[in-house]
Amino acid sequence: QKEVEQNSGPLSVPEGAIASLNCTYSDRGSQSFFWYRQYSGKSPELIMFIYSNGDKEDGRFTAQLNKASQYVSLLIRDSQPSDSATYLCAVRRSGSARQLTFGSGTQLTVLP
Amino acid sequence: NAGVTQTPKFQVLKTGQSMTLQCAQDMNHNSMYWYRQDPGMGLRLIYYSASEGTTDKGEVPNGYNVSRLNKREFSLRLESAAPSQTSVYFCASVGTGVHEQYFGPGTRLTVT
Repeated sequence: QKEVEQNSGPLSVPEGAIASLNCTYSDRGSQSFFWYRQYSGKSPELIMFIYSNGDKEDGRFTAQLNKASQYVSLLIRDSQPSDSATYLCAVRRSGSARQLTFGSGTQLTVLP
Repeated sequence: NAGVTQTPKFQVLKTGQSMTLQCAQDMNHNSMYWYRQDPGMGLRLIYYSASEGTTDKGEVPNGYNVSRLNKREFSLRLESAAPSQTSVYFCASVGTGVHEQYFGPGTRLTVT
């Protein structure tokens, strides 16, 4: 079992719809959870992080964390073509030197 | 403030050749990381340096060595390149009390 698993996609949604991206992790000692966006040929950039159970909202983005079920999700409301990218879920374990374990990413395409 | 810089941006090596990838950050971050990214594999940690003077192996360290030259610079060396090391290499850094890992622009390496 991979430490961090994501549906590879590709995921396609129409412009204006809600895109839902999911991630599960295996280490119950994981403390912090991150969503990075990566455009083709570019480096990853942080969208959101979350470390408490529940929802965290930032503009059109909402991160949801459920530690009991070991999953974290990212919702993108009012999806725009500019949101088309690969979304990487990353997990920071307890006691680590702040290193991250990444999932393989979900490719999202928002259709105009 | 340049953030995280990497050189070179592109490199082609023949099997058995050696090279060093350079990374520098100007954000006074303590921790630095080297990742490789292969299609469908997400980002995998090669080596990291939690602070100046320390380095540790990550998930895929075989065939690589690192040097934390000073607080700013963290280099990755391939002593005898192999085609399996064809990948995109990212350097990242993070500061104390900060959640975000900042990534460099990447080095695209091809080993023939």
